[in-house]
Amino acid sequence: QSALTQPASVSGSPGQSITISCTGTSSDVGGYNYVSWYQHHPGKAPKLMIYDVSNRPSGVSNRFSGSKSGNTASLTISGLQAEDEADYYCSSYTSSNTRVFGGGTKLTVL
Amino acid sequence: EVQLVESGGGLVRPGGSLRLSCAPSGFSFSTYTFTWVRQAPGKGLEWVSSITNSGSLIKYADSVKGRFTISRDNAKNSLYLQMNSLRVEDTAVYYCARDAVTTINAFDIWGQGTMVTVSS
Repeated sequence: QSALTQPASVSGSPGQSITISCTGTSSDVGGYNYVSWYQHHPGKAPKLMIYDVSNRPSGVSNRFSGSKSGNTASLTISGLQAEDEADYYCSSYTSSNTRVFGGGTKLTVL
Repeated sequence: EVQLVESGGGLVRPGGSLRLSCAPSGFSFSTYTFTWVRQAPGKGLEWVSSITNSGSLIKYADSVKGRFTISRDNAKNSLYLQMNSLRVEDTAVYYCARDAVTTINAFDIWGQGTMVTVSS
């Protein structure tokens, strides 16, 4: 149950786009279309942003999008806004019928 | 309002036990699978355990297997996490989360978390 691999940090200026990667194996990310993404502001409850690789829950801005290629999933945030500054985590279903999170990525809006 | 509220956290000595609870409101508890997720200080989120709506399927992370027990009481609308043989590395904020009913890996509602500190 090794954590999925995410970059420790990414940054971008307001209005720009950024992409956060999430790399696993064929036993998790690559084997299933069950990748989800969460936004976490410290001290608050995490928030579901993307599920099943690319689906947005009701109420989540369409500036957030997800995709997957092979063993790597990606979260793209377009039109960066100050309130997007947070930690972002990916999660995948696994072949052991468990779940695994990524190590998290700190997004800084410059 | 749809929400989850955790309770039961606190300070405990290594080797001790603690029982966390999670109380839902605003939706039908018995319909959903629930999950415990934790975050150690300065670390990322870690999946801990999940239990299906009927309690028939339970899964644990290797790091807690044999020490933690997840359970639920649908009649009392409550989710639990019994934590035994606690270690310093179990120190974390523990969140309960509701699994979305439409897929198998999406936690659509989260509690605010309860802090567990294991220290001598």
